[in-house]
Amino acid sequence: EADIYQTPRYLVIGTGKKITLECSQTMGHDKMYWYQQDPGMELHLIHYSYGVNSTEKGDLSSESTVSRIRTEHFPLTLESARPSHTSQYLCASSEFRGLEQFFGPGTRLTVL
Amino acid sequence: AQSVTQPDIHITVSEGASLELRCNYSYGATPYLFWYVQSPGQGLQLLLKYFSGDTLVQGIKGFEAEFKRSQSSFNLRKPSVHWSDAAEYFCAVGAGDMRFGAGTRLTVKP
Repeated sequence: EADIYQTPRYLVIGTGKKITLECSQTMGHDKMYWYQQDPGMELHLIHYSYGVNSTEKGDLSSESTVSRIRTEHFPLTLESARPSHTSQYLCASSEFRGLEQFFGPGTRLTVL
Repeated sequence: AQSVTQPDIHITVSEGASLELRCNYSYGATPYLFWYVQSPGQGLQLLLKYFSGDTLVQGIKGFEAEFKRSQSSFNLRKPSVHWSDAAEYFCAVGAGDMRFGAGTRLTVKP
């Protein structure tokens, strides 16, 4: 079944840890996105990719990094997590010429 | 710059009552407009979209939205709300570089 997956769904870690949030999609989409979502706020785009070996920063400054080595996989890494990184992270994908985005279930990250 | 405003942070309606969620947008060209719904602990699910043509668009779960260019609005409606409609609703504008509103949380009273 074509879908978009995120793991872990929930993560609680201590300050200074390195973490990677996983995102995979089986829809064959070229474009993928990472959003940060906080309660009562709009979704903020932090990274996006047009395809393999393409990564761009979004509107919201983020200390995270991403990679796109395979079409279906778009992991997000925080080298040294801080409490300010506590948030929900949503991954999405779309066809290259597509206008609508398909979202994963999200990862809720808490940094103590 | 494109932007979306959802004026209502939280709305409470009784089950069976009608619903209208407001969305106003700012966009330099013909807008591509979307409504997404997010249930607790879940990602966003597309309810409906407007690209062109008929200004009244039908979506899933009995929702519809009307595009009004003169008012820069794209309000979401449902004639009779069900308890399962309780969720967060997001309006979005754009293509690729999509802009989202801050969301409206819907509570449904029994």
